[in-house]
Amino acid sequence: DGGITQSPKYLFRKEGQNVTLSCEQNLNHDAMYWYRQDPGQGLRLIYYSQIVNDFQKGDIAEGYSVSREKKESFPLTVTSAQKNPTAFYLCASSMKRPNTEAFFGQGTRLTVV
Amino acid sequence: DQQVKQNSPSLSVQEGRISILNCDYTNSMFDYFLWYKKYPAEGPTFLISISSIKDKNEDGRFTVFLNKSAKHLSLHIVPSQPGDSAVYFCAASPIYYNQGGKLIFGQGTELSVKP
Repeated sequence: DGGITQSPKYLFRKEGQNVTLSCEQNLNHDAMYWYRQDPGQGLRLIYYSQIVNDFQKGDIAEGYSVSREKKESFPLTVTSAQKNPTAFYLCASSMKRPNTEAFFGQGTRLTVV
Repeated sequence: DQQVKQNSPSLSVQEGRISILNCDYTNSMFDYFLWYKKYPAEGPTFLISISSIKDKNEDGRFTVFLNKSAKHLSLHIVPSQPGDSAVYFCAASPIYYNQGGKLIFGQGTELSVKP
């Protein structure tokens, strides 16, 4: 089955530590995205990538980093510089053209302890 | 600055009746609008979309209406079923983004359909 896989589903991190969230897709989509959801808020764009080895900052990129070494993979690192990392993180992918929907993974709940 | 607003955090509807979820936007450059459905601790799933050249799009029980002059769109679910209970997000994409997936989301409306 084609889809987007995020792992792990739940992640706990101590303050001051970096942590990497995994996102893999087998939909053959060129574009991939990372969103963050906080309670009572919509999804906000962290980073996106339209092609391998290239990515751009979204609206809330501070404290995060990404890489895109393979078309299928777009890992997100939450660094110690991110002031409020506790959130629900969602990875998505889409075709690289306008007026098309994004497909989302199941999400990773990150909690800083 | 919230460019996409869903002013009703929650909505309760009786099974079999119509559910109407509303969404307002401020950016006149938005040209593609989507609705997503989300269950707790899961990723959103795409429901229906509409291009700015249309004012209505229908898919089974789901219909989206777009009023460009009022910068308003709505999602109608008829008839509502208990399985429709979820959080619904409105999302928009401006023409200058030139790609799908890069979306601006509203805050979401939690729909509860009671048997």
